[in-house]
Formats: sequence, structure tokens, C-alpha cells
Amino acid sequence: GAVVSQHPSWVICKSGTSVKIECRSLDFQATTMFWYRQFPKQSLMLMATSNEGSKATYEQGVEKDKFLINHASLTLSTLTVTSAHPEDSSFYICSARDRGFDTGELFFGEGSRLTVL
Amino acid sequence: GQNIDQPTEMTATEGAIVQINCTYQTSGFNGLFWYQQHAGEAPTFLSYNVLDGLEEKGRFSSFLSRSKGYSYLLLKELQMKDSASYLCAPMDSNYQLIWGAGTKLIIKP
Repeated sequence: GAVVSQHPSWVICKSGTSVKIECRSLDFQATTMFWYRQFPKQSLMLMATSNEGSKATYEQGVEKDKFLINHASLTLSTLTVTSAHPEDSSFYICSARDRGFDTGELFFGEGSRLTVL
Repeated sequence: GQNIDQPTEMTATEGAIVQINCTYQTSGFNGLFWYQQHAGEAPTFLSYNVLDGLEEKGRFSSFLSRSKGYSYLLLKELQMKDSASYLCAPMDSNYQLIWGAGTKLIIKP
């Protein structure tokens, strides 16, 4: 099946610094990638939809200037958490949809656990 | 509005059978997915139903009734490794998955 790789898996940073998380589709082209955040024991929360070659679409309540998304190629999307604060500590997960896959199945990355000190 | 309803938690015994129900309301419908999520990990795909009826895949089966807005995931011959959260995710008219909080399944020996 299709593989999505996310890096880094774990990151610890100081408050006020920026962190970049990469999401790569390894064996397929993904015109659309999704970024989620998940707090403990809660459901996945869609943060934004990333479309290759265009600006990301952010969900209501998600600050676009704080969570910068770049989808520069059909296999790579990045999420940068700028000026991170402890409340940004969470599990960030990306997913991608294979452009050639009619059912719209999402393939998930392994997730990135961010801890802001 | 769009809504997913699943039990918060279920407990079952190793070797037994368990059925996890899901009712949903979405703006349009383009199929329903079931994902498994172990604690601290990303979700993994289990099944996809777009037509009414039962889809069987090994120990796991998934059922859909579009007219009732209802689906269930049936797990047979439960193993300890099946302890996880199970997420029911219908796809709306914009092909966006709608996520609920999932059902935490606890398997006891």
C-alpha cells in the first residue's frame, strides 16, 4: 500500500522557537495533504488542507501565521510551528490522498509528537 | 450539522467477538472508513464501505446501511493486540473525512 513518511517522530523544543515537520508520500503523488492535531484522548482535529502549488486552506480557529504550511511538490508538505508555546504541545499527524485512488482513502504518516518546554 | 456517534469505550474478552456501532450524519456521503489507532500512533486503514452490506476482510468485517446512517465494525477472534481505538469516519460531499472521538476497545485475557 501507499506509504507516507513523517519526520521527526519526536521533537522537544524551547518556548519561542520554531519547529518544522515534514510529510512525504514515498510511492505516490499526493495533490492533497492534510494536517491534523490530536490531544490525548481526543479525536483528530483537522488543522488545514494543503494543496500542491497553492495556499493551504485552514480550518476555523487555526492561526495561519502560526502554523505555516508549504506544499511545494507532489510528494512533500511541511508544517512549521512558529514561536511555539507549551500549549502547542500535541501529536501532529499528516495524511495524504493518492491522486490516482478513487475511493479517497487517506494514508497517514507516523505522527510527530511535539513537546514545548 | 455533521455528527458521528460511537460508544466511548468497550471491553471484550480475548477470543470473543465484538461489534462497534457507529451512526453518522453528514452533508452528502461518499463512503465510510474505519481506522484503527493504537495509543500514541497514527491511524491505520481497516475498511471502506460505499455500498450497503457487509464487507469481510479476515477477522474484521464492516457493515453499512446508508438509509439508516449506520455502520458497524465486527472483530472476531479477538487478540490482545486488538486493544486500540477504532475510528468511524464518513466522507462528506466534499470528500472530506469527518472524524469522531472513536471507540476505545479494551481486550481482557
